Amino acid sequence: DIVMTQTPLSLSVTPGQPASISCKSSQSLLHSDGKTYLYWYLQKSGQSPQVLIYEVSSRFSGVPDRFSGSGSGTDFTLKISRVEAEDVGVYYCMEGIHLFTFGPGTTVDLK
Amino acid sequence: EVQLVESGGGLVQPGRSLRLSCTASGFTFADFTMTWFRQAPGKGLECVGIIRSKVYGGTTDYAASVKGRFTASRDDSKRIAYLQMNSLKIEDTGLYYCTTLWRWGQGTMVIVSS
Repeated sequence: DIVMTQTPLSLSVTPGQPASISCKSSQSLLHSDGKTYLYWYLQKSGQSPQVLIYEVSSRFSGVPDRFSGSGSGTDFTLKISRVEAEDVGVYYCMEGIHLFTFGPGTTVDLK
Repeated sequence: EVQLVESGGGLVQPGRSLRLSCTASGFTFADFTMTWFRQAPGKGLECVGIIRSKVYGGTTDYAASVKGRFTASRDDSKRIAYLQMNSLKIEDTGLYYCTTLWRWGQGTMVIVSS
């Protein structure tokens, strides 16, 4: 089974400042079709997860461009260029190549 | 508008069964793989079952923790995905979501307790 890890597990950010979350998978997420199946989700308090990024770096419809994803193989990063109040919540990375395993989550709040 | 609505959750005793439903609207249901996740209170997200579209053979996969007890199915004519849960255990307690990975329902709560 694929194991997903995230660092840090919590992050306090001053509004307007950048934030970065790292995600590592125990196996490469590069599929034979040439795509790398790594997703990023945000789960706000009391809500269902919402997809931010798919296939490492593609922003889902309606996701602000302050969110960006990068990486390859087993190492990935989510960056928020300028954190806003509405960005508070738990961020998860998820592999989409096997059994959709989520990372443990990174809780982001405001200083 | 894309919508997924889960139903069928509730309080059930250990060893009993429950069937969850996920009713879809606003998209071509038959084209999408449907995935069931669960989230225990205060915990992270765990994929429990996947049922692929007919294009991908309609095949299923399950987490090791539920294999042999849970069965995912779908009725494309009714636009409904199902999760049959048998031999329920206390550790199956949680909020169960259905999702296309792009859109998620609001979840249905399953509590397994004597």
